[in-house]
Amino acid sequence: DAGVTQSPTHLIKTRGQQVTLRCSPKSGHDTVSWYQQALGQGPQFIFQYYEEEERQRGNFPDRFSGHQFPNYSSELNVNALLLGDSALYLCASSGGQGARGQPQHFGDGTRLSIL
Amino acid sequence: AQKITQTQPGMFVQEKEAVTLDCTYDTSDQSYGLFWYKQPSSGEMIFLIYQGSYDEQNATEGRYSLNFQKARKSANLVISASQLGDSAMYFCAMRELDVISGGYNKLIFGAGTRLAVHP
Repeated sequence: DAGVTQSPTHLIKTRGQQVTLRCSPKSGHDTVSWYQQALGQGPQFIFQYYEEEERQRGNFPDRFSGHQFPNYSSELNVNALLLGDSALYLCASSGGQGARGQPQHFGDGTRLSIL
Repeated sequence: AQKITQTQPGMFVQEKEAVTLDCTYDTSDQSYGLFWYKQPSSGEMIFLIYQGSYDEQNATEGRYSLNFQKARKSANLVISASQLGDSAMYFCAMRELDVISGGYNKLIFGAGTRLAVHP
């Protein structure tokens, strides 16, 4: 049973470029959330997708956008990259948006470095 | 306002001993969930244990237990019989109800505690 898979593992971009990160949720999960984890900090919630719609959003600018596909996989897009966007980007999946006791399962993350 | 506070940036423990990692939280909701995750140096976040706000008994999962004191708003993680493989970052997280979407899934993390287990 495959867990949450993210691609790519590492990515190096320059300021001003655009990047797309991908996530496949754990089998049976239909909700995908994205988090940004800067070095030495806890993850910060970016947004959550359920039924192909953005359901919740954290305090991130519009440069951060996403998409969820019918097979529940998701993409995170970041435009006009800034040095401060350098971080580990984590994707998490769970089953059922309102399942209170169900934990989110995380992927290994994509480490994005901006030069 | 900081919702999750982990006051111990780093902790040391001898192998086979028990260790407690502190976590306090701030919420006005009655219904919420508390989670602990482990993050090894490789980066993946590993779910350890969950405590619901209405759960009367403290959660336990193998060597992990959660000391839940609702009135004090604390949810400390206890790791018994520490092993070298327990060396990692540990994050406490809370999930509240999002009143707009009606969903529970947004996790709020603390800054983490780095645990080092010594032989």
